[in-house]
Amino acid sequence: AQSVSQHNHHVILSEAASLELGCNYSYGGTVNLFWYVQYPGQHLQLLLKYFSGDPLVKGIKGFEAEFIKSKFSFNLRKPSVQWSDTAEYFCAVNSGGNNRLAFGKGNQVVVIP
Amino acid sequence: EPEVTQTPSHQVTQMGQEVILRCVPISNHLYFYWYRQILGQKVEFLVSFYNNEISEKSEIFDDQFSVERPDGSNFTLKIRSTKLEDSAMYFCASMVIHGYTFGSGTRLTVV
Repeated sequence: AQSVSQHNHHVILSEAASLELGCNYSYGGTVNLFWYVQYPGQHLQLLLKYFSGDPLVKGIKGFEAEFIKSKFSFNLRKPSVQWSDTAEYFCAVNSGGNNRLAFGKGNQVVVIP
Repeated sequence: EPEVTQTPSHQVTQMGQEVILRCVPISNHLYFYWYRQILGQKVEFLVSFYNNEISEKSEIFDDQFSVERPDGSNFTLKIRSTKLEDSAMYFCASMVIHGYTFGSGTRLTVV
């Protein structure tokens, strides 16, 4: 079964700081990788996704993620965060032929103005 | 931009009561899902639905749960006899070719 690990569940940082959230998954075959964001009181929104091709993926709101196959990782980054980036961030994976998403526990990110 | 709509946004029910959570997926999507998130825990897959039948379900989706698409637009999740541990945020999603769209969720509180 797929599993997804996200560490450092609570992250607090100041505006303009850089953010990196780790995501590791356990599945040896072809995977599709996603990062979702959930702003307070809102639904899950897709930040970015990786299916194939360039392992460095650009998403919305200045986020990017890098797929490193050898490390089974898909870390999310943003060079300079804003107060409006305060949200919960979820990494999710599905494997080829399986439509269900396996989610990590999420990272609660708080950006202090 | 098309949305997945879920109603109600909040539901409080007594233990042992039946609840129905409603979702209106995006009209041209073919796959429908329910996920749930217990407070402080990860989002968990419950069930997927395709071509008017369940295509996959998790261990959580036991006989207390059922889904249906009664009229071609709504997609419902029924919990027959709620337990305290069913308290969670329930998300509906619809998908076409890995393009998932999630609803804003129904927060179910069982008291």
